[in-house]
Amino acid sequence: GQNIDQPTEMTATEGAIVQINCTYQTSGFNGLFWYQQHAGEAPTFLSYNVLDGLEEKGRFSSFLSRSKGYSYLLLKELQMKDSASYLCAARGASEGDSNYQLIWGAGTKLIIKP
Amino acid sequence: DAGITQSPRYKITETGRQVTLMCHQTWSHSYMFWYRQDLGHGLRLIYYSAAADITDKGEVPDGYVVSRSKTENFPLTLESATRSQTSVYFCASSEWAVSSGNTIYFGEGSWLTVV
Repeated sequence: GQNIDQPTEMTATEGAIVQINCTYQTSGFNGLFWYQQHAGEAPTFLSYNVLDGLEEKGRFSSFLSRSKGYSYLLLKELQMKDSASYLCAARGASEGDSNYQLIWGAGTKLIIKP
Repeated sequence: DAGITQSPRYKITETGRQVTLMCHQTWSHSYMFWYRQDLGHGLRLIYYSAAADITDKGEVPDGYVVSRSKTENFPLTLESATRSQTSVYFCASSEWAVSSGNTIYFGEGSWLTVV
């Protein structure tokens, strides 16, 4: 079946670095997304990976290994505002309209401590 | 830039009542989606639409009805609300492009409580 796993909760210290892991199993593969969701708000797009390797975007980086079905989100120089849930979502692939084949993880709640 | 808006943002209704959640987007995106988000679960797709007058079921469609007569609107109706439909509902939209890692944009969410 199709599945996404990510840790339920992580704690880190302001100014530090944290890595949030995501493993996925999909029928085919057509990219992996990371979204940030603050409590009571909508998810907002952070990154997209479709090829193996690291994509860097400011303090945030996302890595993908398709052979391992694995991704991580790396957050550097943590700030209190980074306290949020981070959602991993993998897009499967099908011959027809595959846009709906976005499988979401339950999210990792990141708590930043001073 | 209004983007994607949902209404109502908060709603309390009684079991058995019909409820409609509205969704409006100003980007002319082809695709629109309805998700529900419950504690301990990932976002679960209820229905999606590839264009006006084209809709299809997602992972959890039972008890819900959608329509899309205009590109910009995608209402979600709970025909006879049940307590298990208490949830946060997110409308989303995207413009499909296979090569570009099409981003999905979410509305602010509608908090629905069924009592």
